[in-house]
Amino acid sequence: GQQVMQIPQYQHVQEGEDFTTYCNSSTTLSNIQWYKQRPGGHPVFLIQLVKSGEVKKQKRLTFQFGEAKKNSSLHITATQTTDVGTYFCAYSGNTGKLIFGQGTTLQVKP
Amino acid sequence: NAGVTQTPKFQVLKTGQSMTLQCAQDMNHNSMYWYRQDPGMGLRLIYYSASEGTTDKGEVPNGYNVSRLNKREFSLRLESAAPSQTSVYFCASSEGEVSGANVLTFGAGSRLTVL
Repeated sequence: GQQVMQIPQYQHVQEGEDFTTYCNSSTTLSNIQWYKQRPGGHPVFLIQLVKSGEVKKQKRLTFQFGEAKKNSSLHITATQTTDVGTYFCAYSGNTGKLIFGQGTTLQVKP
Repeated sequence: NAGVTQTPKFQVLKTGQSMTLQCAQDMNHNSMYWYRQDPGMGLRLIYYSASEGTTDKGEVPNGYNVSRLNKREFSLRLESAAPSQTSVYFCASSEGEVSGANVLTFGAGSRLTVL
């Protein structure tokens, strides 16, 4: 079935460095969502992308949806310790259920 | 406004025991979901309910049953627990596809250990 692959699985950065996680699919996606889960917490919705080539920004976070709607990325500029957590992409299957990628865990060294 | 409430938060079971995880939402959402989270595996959908009165299998339904008791409540039952079901379980809800943006609100999670 349709799946999304997230890379990398883990990323350690120094505070102030940039960070990017990628979400790739072998088939076209109708939409992509991004969630953040803090250590010991639950996933929290960040954003949804729907249009081909769409770019959205939330402060230091930039989200992109590829032109072919087969990939997406989340870029964090100048990471802070508050960015620590696991970032998941997710897409809606054809019956409305939301399927998640494996996640990218970000560690930030102060 | 509590959002999505799951009980219990922690549970230890012996192999073969049964238990039910409870979930309730107070946002008048149509759709509800049960996911499990294991290290390196992300969030895997167990069952979901697109609307009151309907349930459907997700990616990993074996060993589980669900009940959509009413619009607010969606329970997950383990009839005969196995060590492979040791996991963190998350309940979630959303307005559903009718809203055009199937955004999930998650509960705090239930950590289950099966010995």
